[in-house]
Amino acid sequence: QQQVKQSPQSLIVQKGGISIINCAYENTAFDYFPWYQQFPGKGPALLIAIRPDVSEKKEGRFTISFNKSAKQFSLHIMDSQPGDSATYFCAARSSGGFQKLVFGTGTRLLVSP
Amino acid sequence: GAGVSQSPSNKVTEKGKDVELRCDPISGHTALYWYRQSLGQGLEFLIYFQGNSAPDKSGLPSDRFSAERTGGSVSTLTIQRTQQEDSAVYLCASSLGLIGRSSTDTQYFGPGTRLTVL
Repeated sequence: QQQVKQSPQSLIVQKGGISIINCAYENTAFDYFPWYQQFPGKGPALLIAIRPDVSEKKEGRFTISFNKSAKQFSLHIMDSQPGDSATYFCAARSSGGFQKLVFGTGTRLLVSP
Repeated sequence: GAGVSQSPSNKVTEKGKDVELRCDPISGHTALYWYRQSLGQGLEFLIYFQGNSAPDKSGLPSDRFSAERTGGSVSTLTIQRTQQEDSAVYLCASSLGLIGRSSTDTQYFGPGTRLTVL
């Protein structure tokens, strides 16, 4: 129940296209859902995050869509660029207990020129 | 400002040896986390320190793994009698405390230590 399932494992998108990464969870106590971006040789860095009281959050070309009833959330990257090529992790935090994040298994995105 | 730093960046060791990995969190961050990232895998939570509270060790995979945090700052992750399956990137992160309270209340990750056990 502490898991966050992420798909796809890898994704190839043409420059200018839309990249979509999906995550699903079971634990209804999760109350904060961040996405992290990781470039090779670097640690993950926060990209965008959402709380379950809103259905969508947009920051520039990055949008999180959140479906509370389905317990699913997704990251959309509009006008994908080669510089977006990285591994993306979704995560979730439980409202109770320790302040730790449960991470998805990651999606390796390659944006072709 | 300085971010989370980790040392060494790479460590190659022989099976059965002990290793120590160091993490210097962002100054003032009360929470510190260790994760393990195996090739092509997600982030596996290992241990979490918050202030002076007892650490959450629920993610440590075996009693060969231990961690300490001295003076509420620097942390050392120790792996005793290393095995080949311990080969991975070990990531450290720190945060101010409550995650998600604001846009800056998040985990800041270091670059990791790549451990290779021969």
